Amino acid sequence: RKEVEQDPGPFNVPEGATVAFNCTYSNSASQSFFWYRQDCRKEPKLLMSVYSSGNEDGRFTAQLNRASQYISLLIRDSKLSDSATYLCVVDHTGGFKTIFGAGTRLFVKA
Amino acid sequence: NAGVTQTPKFQVLKTGQSMTLQCAQDMNHNSMYWYRQDPGMGLRLIYYSASEGTTDKGEVPNGYNVSRLNKREFSLRLESAAPSQTSVYFCASSKGPNEQTQYFGPGTRLLVL
Repeated sequence: RKEVEQDPGPFNVPEGATVAFNCTYSNSASQSFFWYRQDCRKEPKLLMSVYSSGNEDGRFTAQLNRASQYISLLIRDSKLSDSATYLCVVDHTGGFKTIFGAGTRLFVKA
Repeated sequence: NAGVTQTPKFQVLKTGQSMTLQCAQDMNHNSMYWYRQDPGMGLRLIYYSASEGTTDKGEVPNGYNVSRLNKREFSLRLESAAPSQTSVYFCASSKGPNEQTQYFGPGTRLLVL
């Protein structure tokens, strides 16, 4: 079993739609959680950290469920520019064994 | 402020050839990393350097060596390239051991024939 698992998608949604991605992790000792965004043939970039109480950044909401060991990302009012691959990232060692999920591909269509 | 830079952008090698991938950061970060990314898989850590003067193996170190030349530069060497090393290689840096936000370079696309 992979340490971090994501639905690879692709998710195809119209502009303005709400879309949610889930990610599960296997190590209960995991301490830090993130979502990164990766555009086609580009490097990953931090989208947002995920906090225990949940957090929002504009149209993006991240949630953490430690009991069930999953993380979610909700995107509201999708834009064409949201088309990308979203990587779920989990860390339990202070940074040196960061585990990246394989990513969920999102296509937003006009 | 260029962030993290990598050279070359693309490289084609024949099996058995050697090469060094270069990485530099101008953010005064202490920690640096080398990852590889293959289709359908997440980024996998090859080697990392927690601070200048130290390097450690990651998840997939076999076939690679690294050098932390100074605080800014962290190179990755393939001594004898194999087709299984065909991949996209990303260098990243972070402020330090407990600062998990990593900043990535643009990547090097390597094809080994």
